[in-house]
Amino acid sequence: AQKITQTQPGMFVQEKEAVTLDCTYDTSDPSYGLFWYKQPSSGEMIFLIYQGSYDQQNATEGRYSLNFQKARKSANLVISASQLGDSAMYFCAMRSYNTDKLIFGTGTRLQVFP
Amino acid sequence: DAGVIQSPRHEVTEMGQEVTLRCKPISGHDYLFWYRQTMMRGLELLIYFNNNVPIDDSGMPEDRFSAKMPNASFSTLKIQPSEPRDSAVYFCASSTRAGTEAFFGQGTRLTVV
Repeated sequence: AQKITQTQPGMFVQEKEAVTLDCTYDTSDPSYGLFWYKQPSSGEMIFLIYQGSYDQQNATEGRYSLNFQKARKSANLVISASQLGDSAMYFCAMRSYNTDKLIFGTGTRLQVFP
Repeated sequence: DAGVIQSPRHEVTEMGQEVTLRCKPISGHDYLFWYRQTMMRGLELLIYFNNNVPIDDSGMPEDRFSAKMPNASFSTLKIQPSEPRDSAVYFCASSTRAGTEAFFGQGTRLTVV
């Protein structure tokens, strides 16, 4: 069975600082993908970054990077140089390449303060 | 493409009434997912389809919930009869095969009174 765990219900970070949002996962599938989504207060789900289980390098997209540690089954999101507009809910997700099932963690609410 | 389109955006209904939520996926996407979001449980996967066929409905909470995908461009999630505890935001998402991100609709906020 697949499972995603986000243990931080809420995080605070000062503007311009970096922040790490934790995500651990569990799966018996050898091939899978890991995703992060952002949900601002307006409610839409915005895709941020993707990491494949066989990718050798950590994914990066602008100020977002994914710290992928396969042996530890963790896929933490790092946001560098935080901005006020980064305040939102952040969801970690996993998709099995075997079943194509896409599941989400419970989310972390990030608040960026000046 | 206009993206994933859900309707209605907001629905308020009385307990016991039937509710139908609608979703139009992105053209060419062969996977469609229905999720329910609540404060307590986060984003729960209810059911997903591949090429219009339900693959896994283990997340559907009970028999009051049903979902269909009669063709590649339309899906419905029906709750009959509705209960106050069904109040949540329901999202539909579509994607191509694994390895690509899912695109979400704007969601339907359902309130059952």
